[in-house]
Amino acid sequence: GAVVSQHPSWVICKSGTSVKIECRSLDFQATTMFWYRQFPKQSLMLMATSNEGSKATYEQGVEKDKFLINHASLTLSTLTVTSAHPEDSSFYICSARDRGNAWGNTIYFGEGSWLTVV
Amino acid sequence: AQSVTQPDIHITVSEGASLELRCNYSYGATPYLFWYVQSPGQGLQLLLKYFSGDTLVQGIKGFEAEFKRSQSSFNLRKPSVHWSDAAEYFCAVGGYSSASKIIFGSGTRLSIRP
Repeated sequence: GAVVSQHPSWVICKSGTSVKIECRSLDFQATTMFWYRQFPKQSLMLMATSNEGSKATYEQGVEKDKFLINHASLTLSTLTVTSAHPEDSSFYICSARDRGNAWGNTIYFGEGSWLTVV
Repeated sequence: AQSVTQPDIHITVSEGASLELRCNYSYGATPYLFWYVQSPGQGLQLLLKYFSGDTLVQGIKGFEAEFKRSQSSFNLRKPSVHWSDAAEYFCAVGGYSSASKIIFGSGTRLSIRP
């Protein structure tokens, strides 16, 4: 079945550096992908909507200059956390909807990426 | 505005007992509704979804949910819980189009009493 793959699953980076997380749809095309953030014991908060070939749409309160999103192709979206700080440590999850489905009702989530900033 | 409310933060039930997790939503059009389960440190697993048709939806692991438009609810049920059902459960709502975003509720943590 369709799968959304995230890489890396785990990443540790030093404070002040940047880290990139990839989200790939493996066997379907996704015009739109979504990035979520989840703090421990909390819910998933939508950060932004990633649109292929155009700028991402960020939710209120999310710093677009800190969380750079690029959706260069129909199967790949990347989230780059720039100048990371310990408070950016979190679980980041992407999701994608299969655009080939007329109703868009097939949604797939990646397995998430744990980011720890030290 | 699009929103999901899960009024119960934490529920504890005895193994073998029945379970109902509540979910209320707000959405300006016909909603697309989901229930996901998440074990500690893991990603999300889809239990079931509803977008049209029969309002009683069957999912995996013996779960079911009923869509009640008049009450804006999509409660999750299971007739007999197992210790392995202990996890965090999230209700989510979105729209039909491929660009519609999915918004999650705050989650309900389920504990199972032996």
